[in-house]
Amino acid sequence: AQSVTQLGSHVSVSEGALVLLRCNYSSSVPPYLFWYVQYPNQGLQLLLKYTSAATLVKGINGFEAEFKKSETSFHLTKPSAHMSDAAEYFCAVSSSSGGSYIPTFGRGTSLIVHP
Amino acid sequence: GAGVSQSPRYKVAKRGQDVALRCDPISGHVSLFWYQQALGQGPEFLTYFQNEAQLDKSGLPSDRFFAERPEGSVSTLKIQRTQQEDSAVYLCASSLARSGGGELFFGEGSRLTVL
Repeated sequence: AQSVTQLGSHVSVSEGALVLLRCNYSSSVPPYLFWYVQYPNQGLQLLLKYTSAATLVKGINGFEAEFKKSETSFHLTKPSAHMSDAAEYFCAVSSSSGGSYIPTFGRGTSLIVHP
Repeated sequence: GAGVSQSPRYKVAKRGQDVALRCDPISGHVSLFWYQQALGQGPEFLTYFQNEAQLDKSGLPSDRFFAERPEGSVSTLKIQRTQQEDSAVYLCASSLARSGGGELFFGEGSRLTVL
C-alpha cells in the first residue's frame, strides 16, 4: 500500500521568500516520487521526479526536492518565490503493486505569493 | 494538438442521466489513467489502461462507472445513472511508460456537475 501526506493545505509566502512545501510518503517498496503543479483552469504538469539516481532532484522553474529515505519525505523547495509560482502543488508516489505502478496523489497544497 | 485532450470540458447532468467523457491521449502513449478530483482534493485513481487492456479498475467507486479504450488510443469513461456525489473533475492522463513510473501528461479535465 502507498500513501502521500501533504502538510498544510495552504502556504503563504512573500515574493522573494523561501518556499517549502512538505510531502511525506508511505510505501512498502522503493517508490518513484513526483511533484506536479496545477495552475488555474489547467491540467497538472510535472515539476520534477525522483527515480533513485540522485537524492536531490532539480526541476523546472527553480524548484528542487530532496528525497530522504530515513524521514520518508520528499519536500519541495525554491529559494525565492515569484508571483507566478502561485498555484496548487501535488506530491505523488508510485510504487509497484502487482506489477503496475499506479501514482497516488496527495491532497495538494495551495501556494499563495503576496507582494 | 500535441497534448491530452478531454471533452466535454463542462457537463451538467440531471440526476439519473448517463454521461460519457472522452479522452484523447498523446499519440503513441501506452498508458492511460483516469482520476477523479473533488473540489479541494487531490486526484483519486479510478482506472488504468496499458494499450487496450484495462489492467486496474480498483478505483472505480461503483458498478455505475465503466471505462474502455478499445483500440488502445481514445478512452471513454461512462457513468450511468449519475448521482450528486459523482460531481467532480475527471482527469485523464497518458504516459509513454508502460505503467505509472514515468511522467504523466494530464488533460484539462472534464468538470461534471450533477443536479
